Amino acid sequence: EVQLLESGGGLVQPGGSLRLSCAVSGFTFSSHAMSWVRQAPGKGLDWVSGVGTGDATYYADSVKGRFTVSRDNSKNTVYLQMNNLRAEDTAVYYCAKEDITRHFFFQHWGQGTLVTVSS
Amino acid sequence: QSVLTQPPSVSAAPGQNVTISCSGSSSNIGNRYVSWYQQFPGTAPKLLIYDNNERPSGISDRFSGSKSGTSATLGITGLQTGDEADYYCGTWDNSLGAGGVFGGGTKLTVL
Repeated sequence: EVQLLESGGGLVQPGGSLRLSCAVSGFTFSSHAMSWVRQAPGKGLDWVSGVGTGDATYYADSVKGRFTVSRDNSKNTVYLQMNNLRAEDTAVYYCAKEDITRHFFFQHWGQGTLVTVSS
Repeated sequence: QSVLTQPPSVSAAPGQNVTISCSGSSSNIGNRYVSWYQQFPGTAPKLLIYDNNERPSGISDRFSGSKSGTSATLGITGLQTGDEADYYCGTWDNSLGAGGVFGGGTKLTVL
């Protein structure tokens, strides 16, 4: 069974940092690109960042230069380092497993972790 | 403002059919596969359609997808009260600063 489990969310002050983790199981992690998708309270889905099976990383313009995505295939874990956080980064953050075809769709999602940026 | 445009809401009675549109451009829908997701409050999105018109195993054939040019459409036939949810389209965008994009979401109300 495919499982994705996010952790690391919480309350942080504006300008602060958090590192989210997503531990996965049930599939060959190294063969799949992974993405982070967030959802602000009452709002829609917002793609944040992705990491390919190699070194390629991708970012939404809204987080470029502040967020860093990485993966550790030995730990079956993908990370999202979030720096210089802003109030508008407040959201539930989901990690999602991209299909092996790289056709950019997500059949498996984590349960999400809430990040609240507030003073 | 989302890169992909969806109607904020649609509604129909049980048993009726409904379509949800998703409009984009040549840098996204026009040259990429589209997927569709269903989301209930407080839960993670669920994949309904991938590669424009393919259904994952376990998804009812009441759900269908199509794509024409720079637009895509999700169709739902024989509406049920349990279909009341938010629906999102998604794809990859090849423009400068390539990345994933989602529509703003459509709230389906089953009257």
